Amino acid sequence: EVQLVESGGGLVKPGGSLRLSCAASGFTFSNVWMSWVRQTPGKGLEWVGRIKIKTDGGTTDYAAPVKGRFTISRDDSKNTLYLQMNSLKTEDTAVYYCATDFREAYFGSWGQGTLVTVSS
Amino acid sequence: EIVLTQSPATLSLSPGERATLSCRASQSVSSYLAWYQQKPGQAPRLLIYDASNRATGIPARFSGSGSGTDFTLTISSLEPEDFAVYYCQQRSNWPRGTFGQGTKVEIK
Repeated sequence: EVQLVESGGGLVKPGGSLRLSCAASGFTFSNVWMSWVRQTPGKGLEWVGRIKIKTDGGTTDYAAPVKGRFTISRDDSKNTLYLQMNSLKTEDTAVYYCATDFREAYFGSWGQGTLVTVSS
Repeated sequence: EIVLTQSPATLSLSPGERATLSCRASQSVSSYLAWYQQKPGQAPRLLIYDASNRATGIPARFSGSGSGTDFTLTISSLEPEDFAVYYCQQRSNWPRGTFGQGTKVEIK
């Protein structure tokens, strides 16, 4: 059974940094593209970014609102996905989900989410 | 940017009734559209991909149709566990993964 467990969320001040983790199990993590998706009551669901597998170059793509501030990485030896968030803004407040990519652009399996609150 | 507009915002129905949810794209997304179900306190779950293909383990009462700009999710006979929020999502154009704002299916 696919399991994705996010951690690392919390309260951070504007301009601060936070790193989220997503521990994966139940599938061959190194063979799966992974994404981060966030959700807010106001803006709904929003794709944040994704990382390909190493044999596909291991490259990353980001949504415009986070490009240059957020970095996605993966450690296949630990079956873990990361989201490094820098220069956080109040509008980054959301529940952050990690998800497996399905057919390169849908989201097949999701974690339970971790709440990030950016506030002074 | 492709905008997805879902209607209605809320659908009030009784168990056993048929639910018809709509998703309209601001420009053609071909058949590159998915539907997700989200229950309170849970993550979304993939139901339908490429407009009409059920994901693994999804009951046959869920069906999707459409292409281009107009799409429909149909639940043929609502079960108690189907009352939730449903989102559509397109994968046709950048930014990848644009979602609609959701339709809440509530118990009448």
